[in-house]
Amino acid sequence: DVKVTQSSRYLVKRTGEKVFLECVQDMDHENMFWYRQDPGLGLRLIYFSYDVKMKEKGDIPEGYSVSREKKERFSLILESASTNQTSMYLCASSPLALGPPLFGEGSRLTVL
Amino acid sequence: KQEVTQIPAALSVPEGENLVLNCSFTDSAIYNLQWFRQDPGKGLTSLLLIQSSQREQTSGRLNASLDKSSGRSTLYIAASQPGDSATYLCAVRRWGGSEKLVFGKGTKLTVNP
Repeated sequence: DVKVTQSSRYLVKRTGEKVFLECVQDMDHENMFWYRQDPGLGLRLIYFSYDVKMKEKGDIPEGYSVSREKKERFSLILESASTNQTSMYLCASSPLALGPPLFGEGSRLTVL
Repeated sequence: KQEVTQIPAALSVPEGENLVLNCSFTDSAIYNLQWFRQDPGKGLTSLLLIQSSQREQTSGRLNASLDKSSGRSTLYIAASQPGDSATYLCAVRRWGGSEKLVFGKGTKLTVNP
């Protein structure tokens, strides 16, 4: 089964901690995305990557950074977590031919 | 700026009913429109993708239509079942090859047995 795997389904962190959210895909997709989903706000794009070491800001990049050292792995980094970053984080990947993205199961992050 | 709206935000129907979910978008210069399903606490599953040159797509009991000029899409679900209960989201990709999707906030569907 092809899939996108987010390593942590649930995380609880303290304010100021550095947080890593990992996403791995096994489909050799060029594009990878990080979204956050909040009630009433829907899905918002944080960052996306269209190739190894290539990245582009989405709609809400502030407070986040990303890393893509290998094609299959796309990491979202919260340098200093804050309570307003409590959210559901969704990773997705898609092929270069603009096919539909495949989503992971999500990582629910709580920052106390 | 592209905006995607889904109305209603929530819908409750009895099992067996045919139903329509609505999606509207403000900028008709789209590359494609996609419908997704999301179960509680889970990721999104792609249901149907309609290219801008197409009018509709069908998969089993699902049929999605696209009227680009009026900025509207509908998702028709025939003979609804309790297992169809989920949140349904539509998303548009802008023309010009951008990889970005703009999502609506979804319609939460409950099908009662």
